[in-house]
Amino acid sequence: DGGITQSPKYLFRKEGQNVTLSCEQNLNHDAMYWYRQDPGQGLRLIYYSQIVNDFQKGDIAEGYSVSREKKESFPLTVTSAQKNPTAFYLCASSQQGADTGELFFGEGSRLTVL
Amino acid sequence: KQEVTQIPAALSVPEGENLVLNCSFTDSAIYNLQWFRQDPGKGLTSLLLIQSSQREQTSGRLNASLDKSSGRSTLYIAASQPGDSATYLCAVDGGNYQLIWGAGTKLIIKP
Repeated sequence: DGGITQSPKYLFRKEGQNVTLSCEQNLNHDAMYWYRQDPGQGLRLIYYSQIVNDFQKGDIAEGYSVSREKKESFPLTVTSAQKNPTAFYLCASSQQGADTGELFFGEGSRLTVL
Repeated sequence: KQEVTQIPAALSVPEGENLVLNCSFTDSAIYNLQWFRQDPGKGLTSLLLIQSSQREQTSGRLNASLDKSSGRSTLYIAASQPGDSATYLCAVDGGNYQLIWGAGTKLIIKP
């Protein structure tokens, strides 16, 4: 079945460690996104990519990094520079067009810093 | 700067009732507005997408309307069921791949 796969579902990290969250899609979508979700707040955009080998910062990119070496993959690295990394992270994709279009989401990755 | 508000933050209704969820936005220059559903600890599922030129969209028991002039969208759920219990989020697309999100309405349908 077509969809977006995020892994791991749960991740625990010690302070000072970098962690990488995986996002893979088989929908043949051009655009991919990473969002952060905190309780009681709307989703906030971390990074997005419209095409392979290109990506742009969102509203809260500091302390995060991404790569887009393949169309189907858009991993997110949470670096030790991120001050408050404990959150629920959501990856999404859409077919590129004049607007964002319908978004498809993965099941999310919950990161907890110990 | 676009702001999206969803009120109320939580809503509890008996099974079988028809209900309306609200989404308001401050800038009418939008490409589209989307409604999503999120179950606890899960990702989001797209419910309805209304293009800027449209007034409403329907899918099964769901109907979403859009009034750009007043900066409002409503999601109407007919004959609510316990399985409809979830958090419902709206998001406005103002361009440049930047969706602006509401904080969501947590809906509980009591059997």
